[in-house]
Amino acid sequence: AQTIHQWPVAEIKAVGSPLSLGCTIKGKSSPNLYWYWQATGGTLQQLFYSITVGQVESVVQLNLSASRPKDDQFILSTEKLLLSHSGFYLCAWSLKGEDTQYFGPGTRLLVL
Amino acid sequence: GDSVTQTEGPVTVSESESLIINCTYSATSIAYPNLFWYVRYPGEGLQLLLKVITAGQKGSSRGFEATYNKETTSFHLQKASVQESDSAVYYCALGGTGGYKVVFGSGTRLLVSP
Repeated sequence: AQTIHQWPVAEIKAVGSPLSLGCTIKGKSSPNLYWYWQATGGTLQQLFYSITVGQVESVVQLNLSASRPKDDQFILSTEKLLLSHSGFYLCAWSLKGEDTQYFGPGTRLLVL
Repeated sequence: GDSVTQTEGPVTVSESESLIINCTYSATSIAYPNLFWYVRYPGEGLQLLLKVITAGQKGSSRGFEATYNKETTSFHLQKASVQESDSAVYYCALGGTGGYKVVFGSGTRLLVSP
């Protein structure tokens, strides 16, 4: 069975500090991977997707970057956090050629 | 652009009453839209409730139904008799066959009172 793990579960960070959020998918080879963000009370927005190792496409510009260093790993990061980065970050995967996505438990981020 | 609009919550319904959560979409860059309902139960992750990829067809799961109506660009979620365990946040979403982009609605919180 496939499992998707996100870390950390929650984070409180200062404005201007760096951030790294991680996502790992086990039990599925070469999945498509996605990052989403949801501000409190806001809509779930797709940020990035990746169809293969080393290749990431940006959907929305939020002063964030993403990388896929391994087939089963997706990293979201920034060197300088903004207050507006606060919210809930979700990682998801799908099979190649499929648009049904399966979501991780999420990371809650508060930037102060 | 592509967008999804759904009933603003919270929606409060008594147990055993019927439910409809409206969803309309605009697919300007997606040639063959697929429509989804996702759900987040309290304390759980976002999960797929149902999906329909063909206009005119109906999807169903856990007593919920939704029909893909291309003429009215709608995908309303309905249930004839809700239960307290249906309390959750429901998201309508729009994707495209073979594509990577998925657009979500803002979510509708459903509260079912006993």
